[in-house]
Amino acid sequence: DTGVSQDPRHKITKRGQNVTFRCDPISEHNRLYWYRQTLGQGPEFLTYFQNEAQLEKSRLLSDRFSAERPKGSFSTLEIQRTEQGDSAMYLCASKEGRGTEAFFGQGTRLTVV
Amino acid sequence: KQEVTQIPAALSVPEGENLVLNCSFTDSAIYNLQWFRQDPGKGLTSLLLIQSSQREQTSGRLNASLDKSSGRSTLYIAASQPGDSATYLCAVSKVTGNQFYFGTGTSLTVIP
Repeated sequence: DTGVSQDPRHKITKRGQNVTFRCDPISEHNRLYWYRQTLGQGPEFLTYFQNEAQLEKSRLLSDRFSAERPKGSFSTLEIQRTEQGDSAMYLCASKEGRGTEAFFGQGTRLTVV
Repeated sequence: KQEVTQIPAALSVPEGENLVLNCSFTDSAIYNLQWFRQDPGKGLTSLLLIQSSQREQTSGRLNASLDKSSGRSTLYIAASQPGDSATYLCAVSKVTGNQFYFGTGTSLTVIP
């Protein structure tokens, strides 16, 4: 499978715990995005990487959120001290270039109890 | 900021009908527009990408048009099938910045 891969697919965690998600983009894609989607809403932008550089961050990305993309390959999104409001689908996408098609992974469904 | 609106929010049609989904955006300085399909609890599947210089794109039974000056795009689905049932999302990339902006989607149900 050469598509965008996300792991895990589902995560249930207790409030206050830390969680980390992983995204493996399509190998030749240098642009990587994280989005968050709540029920009945469209995806909302969180952050953008071009290669290993994090070039854009949304105001949605509070201090509890951090994202990395070491060596410009896979990316991780960590949420510290999770809150119930963090429950959502976290989506990763990659693109080859600015005007090219974006491809999304299957998402990680986070439930904070 | 780019605001993206999709109308209707939900649509139910009998199998075989042709249908049109609408997407409007407030800032016409766009780079491109992409239509996606999302099945319940799943990620997004790309359907069509239209560059700002293009008027339309076709893939099988799908045809997407773009009128950048009026801030509108339509997704036309011909001869709908029950397997087309899903939520359809449009996303717009602006000329400035790198993120793309999504609408809230149209939930389509095709009744056999």
